Amino acid sequence: EVQLVESGGGLVQPGGSLRLSCVASGFTFSTYPIHWVRQAPGKGLEYVSGISSTGTSTYYANSVKGRFTISRDNSENTVHLQMGSLRPEDMAMYYCAKAPYWGQGTLVTVSS
Amino acid sequence: EIVLTQSPGTLSLSPGERATLSCRASPSVSSSYLVWYQQKPGQAPRLLIYGASSRATGIPDRFIGSGSGTDFTLTISRLEPEDFAVYYCQQYATSPWTFGQGTKVEIK
Repeated sequence: EVQLVESGGGLVQPGGSLRLSCVASGFTFSTYPIHWVRQAPGKGLEYVSGISSTGTSTYYANSVKGRFTISRDNSENTVHLQMGSLRPEDMAMYYCAKAPYWGQGTLVTVSS
Repeated sequence: EIVLTQSPGTLSLSPGERATLSCRASPSVSSSYLVWYQQKPGQAPRLLIYGASSRATGIPDRFIGSGSGTDFTLTISRLEPEDFAVYYCQQYATSPWTFGQGTKVEIK
C-alpha cells in the first residue's frame, strides 16, 4: 500500500523559512517522481513543485520559484521542500504526492 | 500547460438523484493520466477514479468515470448522504500537474 507521510509544518512569520519532509513507503521510491501540492484555506488545489526519480530534474510553480527548493534522498525514501521568504499567501495545507496517491498533508501557517 | 475546466461550479441535488460532473481539458489529455478526487471539509482529497474510468480501491460502483481527449465526466448514479462533497479532476500527463477548480455537490 502506497503511503506518504508529511511533516514539518507549523507557524512561521512572514519572511521566515520552513522545511517540509515527506516519507514514502509501499513502492519502489527511487523509480518515481514525487510532487508537492498545496491548498490554501477555502481554496482549490495548486501544484507547487516536483522532482524526478533521480533528483536531477525539478519543477516549480511560478508562485514559488526562487523561494522553494525541492530535494530527495532515495536512501531514506524522503523528499524535502525547503521553503524560504514565506508570504501570507503561502499559508496552506501542503500535500506530498506520488501520482495518483497523496498524503494527509501538513499545515503551514504564515502569520506575525 | 493543460487547463482543466469543471462545470457546474455547484450542483444542488437530493439523495437518490444522479449527479453528472464535467471536466474539460485544453489541450487534450491522455485518459491514462486523468483522475477524480473527492474532498470533504478538513480532509485530504480522496482518490475516486484513475485512468479516467477505473475506480480506486474501495470506491463504490455508483461512481462512474468516463470520457477521453478533452471531455471527461464523473457520474454518481444515486447520491448517498456521504457523497455530498467537493470533487476535483486532475491531470498528471504533463508538468505542471493541473486541477479543475472543483464542483461542489450540495444537498438541495
